[in-house]
Amino acid sequence: ETGVTQTPRHLVMGMTNKKSLKCEQHLGHNAMYWYKQSAKKPLELMFVYNFKEQTENNSVPSRFSPECPNSSHLFLHLHTLQPEDSALYLCASSQEWDFSYNEQFFGPGTRLTVL
Amino acid sequence: QKEVEQNSGPLSVPEGAIASLNCTYSDRVSQSFFWYRQYSGKSPELIMSIYSNGDKEDGRFTAQLNKASQYVSLLIRDSQPSDSATYLCPEGSGNTGKLIFGQGTTLQVKP
Repeated sequence: ETGVTQTPRHLVMGMTNKKSLKCEQHLGHNAMYWYKQSAKKPLELMFVYNFKEQTENNSVPSRFSPECPNSSHLFLHLHTLQPEDSALYLCASSQEWDFSYNEQFFGPGTRLTVL
Repeated sequence: QKEVEQNSGPLSVPEGAIASLNCTYSDRVSQSFFWYRQYSGKSPELIMSIYSNGDKEDGRFTAQLNKASQYVSLLIRDSQPSDSATYLCPEGSGNTGKLIFGQGTTLQVKP
């Protein structure tokens, strides 16, 4: 595997389900990100982890719960979602957070549909 | 609040022409600027990073940065139908790795 991988690629869940999204980066980076991309809206940064520590939480509802066990893996745990949470969820990584010149590399995304 | 402005398009150019995409920024402090290409239903792919005023060329792509005027542009020479995508130009935010995204510009290259 190379770059940033995400599983599953597609997910359909009911509002009462619990599911998790997984992201893994093979780039040796130390910062990892979750973004949400809804139709016709700019990419929204959700969470940032730098060296496994959460550094950003952009007022994301608690039904989204991130987990970063190490610098290579990032999870997004989902529970009691709403239909408006349907979107493309993107994971990205970069060398580190405290560096304005760092380039972010995105995974393929998980297309989430909440019924 | 920092903002990135892009014309959402679609920008339509014939195959073989030069496509010109532009972004303007609200924050003079930003030091880093990026261009991403995103095909429909896919994730953003980094095309170019630019940090200094002037031009930076990579193959058919040239990025131009003017910090004083707060704009960055992307020129695509010899446009191909495979260049048809949405182009994003986030700016780096100060001393962190945060990227500020706009809506993106949709480019259509017609055969």
